[in-house]
Amino acid sequence: QVQLVQSGSELKKPGASVKVSCKASGYIFTRQVLSWLRQAPGQGLEWMGWINTNTGTPTYAQGFTGRFVFSLDTSVSTAYLQISSLQTEDTAVYYCARTVAGPFDPWGQGTLVTVSS
Amino acid sequence: EIVLTQSPGTLSLSPGERATLSCRASQSISGNFLAWYQQKPGQAPRLLIYGASSRATGIPDRFSGSGSGTDFTLTVGRLEPEDFAVYYCQQYGSSFTFGGGTKVEIK
Repeated sequence: QVQLVQSGSELKKPGASVKVSCKASGYIFTRQVLSWLRQAPGQGLEWMGWINTNTGTPTYAQGFTGRFVFSLDTSVSTAYLQISSLQTEDTAVYYCARTVAGPFDPWGQGTLVTVSS
Repeated sequence: EIVLTQSPGTLSLSPGERATLSCRASQSISGNFLAWYQQKPGQAPRLLIYGASSRATGIPDRFSGSGSGTDFTLTVGRLEPEDFAVYYCQQYGSSFTFGGGTKVEIK
């Protein structure tokens, strides 16, 4: 079955960087775009952008430019989200999700990134 | 940006009752590109409905979606214990935005 498995929780200090992985299985990785989404504690969902898994071209939503980088390793069907210069406001659960003509399905299980001194 | 407003914020119901959740858009959503998700505590969201009214694979038929333009509804015909959760609407007609969610809690 189609599955996205993300890397585990991270605890980082302000100013550090973090790299979250999202490994896909059960479908041809390069056939569907992969999105990244954020959910701050007790809050709703925000679309951060997506990456074209065929070309490697990323698209970033407003508010997620500069410190956020999407990348791929197609040899292992894995997408990455890197966040640099972490701030306490970056504390959130980060999700990857396959994007099939619009809706997000399925989602990875989520990766909690905690930024605290 | 299309803003989605969900109401009510919280719905208190008993198992077996019918749940009706609303999602209103700040402008018309092209192609009725509106999806609904269910999220339980500590879990990722799960796609329930896409295209305003099409059920995703494996979703029970007690879940139904309706609406067009700016007004959309998710109905859960008879609530099962596992249906108590937070529900989000999301539009994909113009970029992607989510509503603030409706929590369906046990009365």
